[in-house]
Amino acid sequence: AQKITQTQPGMFVQEKEAVTLDCTYDTSDQSYGLFWYKQPSSGEMIFLIYQGSYDEQNATEGRYSLNFQKARKSANLVISASQLGDSAMYFCAMKTSYDKVIFGPGTSLSVIP
Amino acid sequence: DTAVSQTPKYLVTQMGNDKSIKCEQNLGHDTMYWYKQDSKKFLKIMFSYNNKELIINETVPNRFSPKSPDKAHLNLHINSLELGDSAVYFCASSQEGSDTGELFFGEGSRLTVL
Repeated sequence: AQKITQTQPGMFVQEKEAVTLDCTYDTSDQSYGLFWYKQPSSGEMIFLIYQGSYDEQNATEGRYSLNFQKARKSANLVISASQLGDSAMYFCAMKTSYDKVIFGPGTSLSVIP
Repeated sequence: DTAVSQTPKYLVTQMGNDKSIKCEQNLGHDTMYWYKQDSKKFLKIMFSYNNKELIINETVPNRFSPKSPDKAHLNLHINSLELGDSAVYFCASSQEGSDTGELFFGEGSRLTVL
């Protein structure tokens, strides 16, 4: 069965510090894609970063990096130099066969000044 | 121009009524989706269409009927609304075969059933 697990319902981080949000996934597909989305309190879904299952290098986008460990089936999001505007829900997602995209339960991140 | 637009943004209605949410994307994408986000923020896929053809139907009650008149539009009609249908419904689109295939989301439609 395809599943995304995010074990941290809520996280706190001090402004300017780095934070890691955990994500593990389960799929029997050989080819898949992993995403992270941010949902601020205003409600919109913002795409952050993508990692393909065959990509050998970890994806990076500005202050976001994805720590991809294929053997462990984990795709953790690292946010460096946290800012107050990073306070939001963060969702890990996976695209598998038939372009089906499933989401994890999310992690609520609060950045403390 | 908004890439993925949904109307209405807010919908308040009584149990038993029928309502529709419309979605349009101007990105030229082949695939469109409907997701339901419940009060605990969990995002559940409901349907996906590829070029007007239904691809995914995730055990959604048949009171929910998606319709895709063309690949730029995917509407959601809900019959006999129930209290449990209260949620935010997101439309999204993606391009098959693109490098990332990320979903582009609409702003969401908040449905409240009284």
